[in-house]
Amino acid sequence: TQLLEQSPQFLSIQEGENLTVYCNSSSVFSSLQWYRQEPGEGPVLLVTVVTGGEVKKLKRLTFQFGDARKDSSLHITAAQPGDTGLYLCAGADSSASKIIFGSGTRLSIRP
Amino acid sequence: KAGVTQTPRYLIKTRGQQVTLSCSPISGHRSVSWYQQTPGQGLQFLFEYFSETQRNKGNFPGRFSGRQFSNSRSEMNVSTLELGDSALYLCASSLLEGAGELFFGEGSRLTVL
Repeated sequence: TQLLEQSPQFLSIQEGENLTVYCNSSSVFSSLQWYRQEPGEGPVLLVTVVTGGEVKKLKRLTFQFGDARKDSSLHITAAQPGDTGLYLCAGADSSASKIIFGSGTRLSIRP
Repeated sequence: KAGVTQTPRYLIKTRGQQVTLSCSPISGHRSVSWYQQTPGQGLQFLFEYFSETQRNKGNFPGRFSGRQFSNSRSEMNVSTLELGDSALYLCASSLLEGAGELFFGEGSRLTVL
């Protein structure tokens, strides 16, 4: 069974600080996605990374896929209250037959 | 274009009852996946349907079932409800079968008393 572990589970920081969320597995994924979910809504896709070592930037968010395609990180620069939410990583399993979600990181940004 | 629509948004049932949840995918999307989200277990994959066929199934008991219609709309059914079935049930549609990018609905929050 492929598992994705996210850390930290909870993170509360001050506006303007930087943070990094990690997504780790012992399994190789064909691609990895990051979603953000706000209360009362479904997750919304932020980015998909496919190639080992790939780095993608989305404004203040930087996503990296590990060289071995077993892990990923999300770095937020100068966090803002609007970044608050549940961040989920999701990996496409090796046969690309289904997507497995990590346990999530609940992020709170204090103004 | 319209997003993924799930109905009902909220419902309360008692133990032993059954429930049916509905999902209308984004127009043109033929894949519909269902997930159960709970605080303790996170997002757990239930099953995926593509072109009216179940293509993949997660580790849930047979009380959880689903189907997809020719217009790609999907329903999931949970029979003999248990307290532990209380959760947010999320439906996601995708253009591709399997590991495509997922577009989620707002979910159906089920409470079992």
